[in-house]
Amino acid sequence: GENVEQHPSTLSVQEGDSAVIKCTYSDSASNYFPWYKQELGKRPQLIIDIRSNVGEKKDQRIAVTLNKTAKHFSLHITETQPEDSAVYFCAAYTNDYKLSFGAGTTVTVRA
Amino acid sequence: GAVVSQHPSRVICKSGTSVKIECRSLDFQATTMFWYRQFPKKSLMLMATSNEGSKATYEQGVEKDKFLINHASLTLSTLTVTSAHPEDSSFYICSALREASYNEQFFGPGTRLTVL
Repeated sequence: GENVEQHPSTLSVQEGDSAVIKCTYSDSASNYFPWYKQELGKRPQLIIDIRSNVGEKKDQRIAVTLNKTAKHFSLHITETQPEDSAVYFCAAYTNDYKLSFGAGTTVTVRA
Repeated sequence: GAVVSQHPSRVICKSGTSVKIECRSLDFQATTMFWYRQFPKKSLMLMATSNEGSKATYEQGVEKDKFLINHASLTLSTLTVTSAHPEDSSFYICSALREASYNEQFFGPGTRLTVL
């Protein structure tokens, strides 16, 4: 099955700086890579996703890059704000639509 | 956007009792739903895939007789935790697959189960 590794586990950044979270996956058949933001006690919220036929996608302050050859993908948040503080999960899935999640990154944005 | 609800949001029960959690897709039909379990400060772990009109498929290590799943309609899947014990206490989250949205999964708000 798919194995997704995520780093770092915690990330503290100064407000206004950028945050980068990296993930690797094991199954070369994986073709969809979503990123979720989860606040304490809440559901995961999709913030951006990328499919295997695209190398990069951007949505305002959030961008995701995908390197299929190396089997890794990254989340970039620019101009961080206190409301960006949360746990972020990367995930991957193949044609059976089962999501394999990374272990999560706790992001703290310092005001 | 697509909406998925879960009920109840919180439940406290005594050890040995059974608890049923409902997951509903409110504005779309979902042939496939998923059930996840999340321990504090941990990631989501897929427990099982719920398929409308057929048996659920369970991930390795998940007891199917312990966690009963029923997907009787295209908008409702239920998870029953049978003979619950304190170690079953967790945050249970469902998701529904929306084919019209390129098979994106939409998550329910989760159910916090506490077994005393």
